Amino acid sequence: AQSVTQLGSHVSVSEGALVLLRCNYSSSVPPYLFWYVQYPNQGLQLLLKYTTGATLVKGINGFEAEFKKSETSFHLTKPSAHMSDAAEYFCAVSHAFSGGYNKLIFGAGTRLAVHP
Amino acid sequence: EAQVTQNPRYLITVTGKKLTVTCSQNMNHEYMSWYRQDPGLGLRQIYYSMNVEVTDKGDVPEGYKVSRKEKRNFPLILESPSPNQTSLYFCASSLGVGRTSSYNEQFFGPGTRLTVL
Repeated sequence: AQSVTQLGSHVSVSEGALVLLRCNYSSSVPPYLFWYVQYPNQGLQLLLKYTTGATLVKGINGFEAEFKKSETSFHLTKPSAHMSDAAEYFCAVSHAFSGGYNKLIFGAGTRLAVHP
Repeated sequence: EAQVTQNPRYLITVTGKKLTVTCSQNMNHEYMSWYRQDPGLGLRQIYYSMNVEVTDKGDVPEGYKVSRKEKRNFPLILESPSPNQTSLYFCASSLGVGRTSSYNEQFFGPGTRLTVL
């Protein structure tokens, strides 16, 4: 069975500091991996996704993530945090089941706080 | 504008009073899904639909019903709500089902915050 673990339910960084949000997954088959962001009182917005090929994936708002198969990880980073990055971030995994049904499994989420 | 809409955005109700949360998408997506979001649990899938008249249970379907009579609409029905269904609900849609990630990308509505007293 697939699962996603996000280390740290709350992360706090200073403005301008590196952002690192951790995600580890378990999957018996090659996964598709996603990071979504949820701003207050809004729905989820896709930040980036990994399909196949290049293991370093660039997303919106300066975020990127690296797929490391040997570590079963897909950590999200941003070199310099901005106040507007404060939000909740969800890592999710999916793969194609037989019959074409693709199911997203979400981690519990990490709430990022950015302070001046 | 391509979007998923949900109504209502906020709802307070009482135990046992039937309610429906509507979901509509204007992207001609085949796949639609309902999730509930609870603190510390992330999002969990309630029901999904791969196309019109094709629906199936997700991970937490108890107490919910859905229907997919039209491609664009996927309402969530709580026949007899209970306090443990107090949650934040999201509807999502994607282009279709298939082996490419672009099909897996799901677009989310703004959420419906439901409180059952």
